Amino acid sequence: DGGITQSPKYLFRKEGQNVTLSCEQNLNHDAMYWYRQDPGQGLRLIYYSQIVNDFQKGDIAEGYSVSREKKESFPLTVTSAQKNPTAFYLCASSTRSYEQYFGPGTRLTVT
Amino acid sequence: RKEVEQDPGPFNVPEGATVAFNCTYSNSASQSFFWYRQDCRKEPKLLMSVYSSGNEDGRFTAQLNRASQYISLLIRDSKLSDSATYLCVVLSTGTASKLTFGTGTRLQVTL
Repeated sequence: DGGITQSPKYLFRKEGQNVTLSCEQNLNHDAMYWYRQDPGQGLRLIYYSQIVNDFQKGDIAEGYSVSREKKESFPLTVTSAQKNPTAFYLCASSTRSYEQYFGPGTRLTVT
Repeated sequence: RKEVEQDPGPFNVPEGATVAFNCTYSNSASQSFFWYRQDCRKEPKLLMSVYSSGNEDGRFTAQLNRASQYISLLIRDSKLSDSATYLCVVLSTGTASKLTFGTGTRLQVTL
């Protein structure tokens, strides 16, 4: 079955630690995205990548980093520089007509 | 003014009712439009793309009004399983294509 997977589903970290969230897709999509969702807010774009070895900052990239070494994979690192890292993180990939398909998300809690 | 605005609701409707949501957008150059459904603590799932001529998928009908810059989603014969948050998504193109998510309209269908 084609789809997008994210792991882990829940993640707990202490403040000051970097953490990497995994995102893998086998839909053969070129474009991949990372969003965060906070309660009562819309999805906000962190980073996106339209092709392997290239990525662009979204609206709230500060404190985050990404890599795109393979078409299937787009991991997101939440660094200690991110001021409010606790959130629901969603990865997506899209068709050329921008229809986006989301993974199940990772709930990150930093204390 | 927000780029994409939705009434947060909740819309509480009885099973079998017809319900409609609107979503307004501010960028007149917006090119593509989508409706997503998001269940509580889950990822958004694509419900339908919105075409200029309007489109229907079973009990769901989407319309686009470019002159007034809004899209609508009509749900006929509401089911309990339709209870969810409905997200409006707008694609704007320019120097870079950008997808903007609304904060969603919550629908609660009751017996």
